[in-house]
Amino acid sequence: ETGVTQTPRHLVMGMTNKKSLKCEQHLGHNAMYWYKQSAKKPLELMFVYNFKEQTENNSVPSRFSPECPNSSHLFLHLHTLQPEDSALYLCASSQEGRLAGGEQFFGPGTRLTVL
Amino acid sequence: AQTVTQSQPEMSVQEAETVTLSCTYDTSENNYYLFWYKQPPSRQMILVIRQEAYKQQNATENRFSVNFQKAAKSFSLKISDSQLGDTAMYFCAFRNRDDKIIFGKGTRLHILP
Repeated sequence: ETGVTQTPRHLVMGMTNKKSLKCEQHLGHNAMYWYKQSAKKPLELMFVYNFKEQTENNSVPSRFSPECPNSSHLFLHLHTLQPEDSALYLCASSQEGRLAGGEQFFGPGTRLTVL
Repeated sequence: AQTVTQSQPEMSVQEAETVTLSCTYDTSENNYYLFWYKQPPSRQMILVIRQEAYKQQNATENRFSVNFQKAAKSFSLKISDSQLGDTAMYFCAFRNRDDKIIFGKGTRLHILP
């Protein structure tokens, strides 16, 4: 596997379910991100992890819970979601630091549908 | 607040034509990065081109080039000899000195055969 991978690619869940999204990067990067992409809205940054430490939480509801056990893996735990949470969830990674190029590498995304 | 604006929600051009996607941004910083990302239908988002603000020379990558006007805070993307595979959403993005990245709303580009 190369680059950034995400599983599952598609997920349908009810509002009372608990599920997790997984992201893995094989690029040796030190930062990972979760984004939400909804139709007709800009990409919304949800969480940032830098060296496994959460450095940003953009006022995301507590029904979304991130976990970063190491610099290569990132999870997004979901529970009691709402239909408006249906979206494409993108994971990205980058190499942080002043000498880094600043580019983010994206995974293919998980298409989430909440019924 | 730092913002990125893409004023063209959707565009269509004929194959082989040249198309320019506009992007403006707002910042008080002097050093930063600018990017254009491409997201083809149902496919992964990938970087198209990157510009470092301290470099005056416009970045180019094969058929893709930018017109970076720092004073005007403008960063447009030109696609020459457009191909059907260029059909995608294109996002302009800004990365500040705190490594925070801000995306525009995107421009949906259709290349017509």
